[in-house]
Amino acid sequence: DTGVSQNPRHKITKRGQNVTFRCDPISEHNRLYWYRQTLGQGPEFLTYFQNEAQLEKSRLLSDRFSAERPKGSFSTLEIQRTEQGDSAMYLCASSPHRDGGMNTEAFFGQGTRLTVV
Amino acid sequence: GQQLNQSPQSMFIQEGEDVSMNCTSSSIFNTWLWYKQEPGEGPVLLIALYKAGELTSNGRLTAQFGITRKDSFLNISASIPSDVGIYFCAGRADSSYKLIFGSGTRLLVRP
Repeated sequence: DTGVSQNPRHKITKRGQNVTFRCDPISEHNRLYWYRQTLGQGPEFLTYFQNEAQLEKSRLLSDRFSAERPKGSFSTLEIQRTEQGDSAMYLCASSPHRDGGMNTEAFFGQGTRLTVV
Repeated sequence: GQQLNQSPQSMFIQEGEDVSMNCTSSSIFNTWLWYKQEPGEGPVLLIALYKAGELTSNGRLTAQFGITRKDSFLNISASIPSDVGIYFCAGRADSSYKLIFGSGTRLLVRP
């Protein structure tokens, strides 16, 4: 399967601990996105990379959150000093580069469900 | 900020019926995408729309990009039990690659 892969699928952590999630995008997709989804809501944008450059960050991404994509392939999302309000599904998506513009689809992974207790 | 209003919030229909749902935006989008999400899974792309007025089909699904670029609708014809799930619209504005999502339409199909 060559879809977007996220690990782990589930993570339970104690409040105050740090957690890190990994996303492997579809091969040769140069754009990678992180979204957060809480129960009953649509996904909310967190941040976006084009290759290794982080080009846009949402105000939702507090200073406890950091995302990296060091070699322009896989990406990690770290949350430091987790709080109960961080409990959510964290979704990664990737999209291909197309000459001539921004018209591209975004394909999502299965997500990492974080529960902070 | 940009907002998407998606309606209806939920639908409970009889198998075989047609379904229609729509999204409206407070601002102009250059891309509309429709996704389906099942419990515990990520959203799966159903249809992508890139031009105002565009009408695109994917099997029993048909979606349209509104002429004003501020709305889109999705129709499902002859619904079946496996259509059950939450359907999300998502739009992208000219100035950014990020997607803005609606709050979803929960579809239940009665066999």
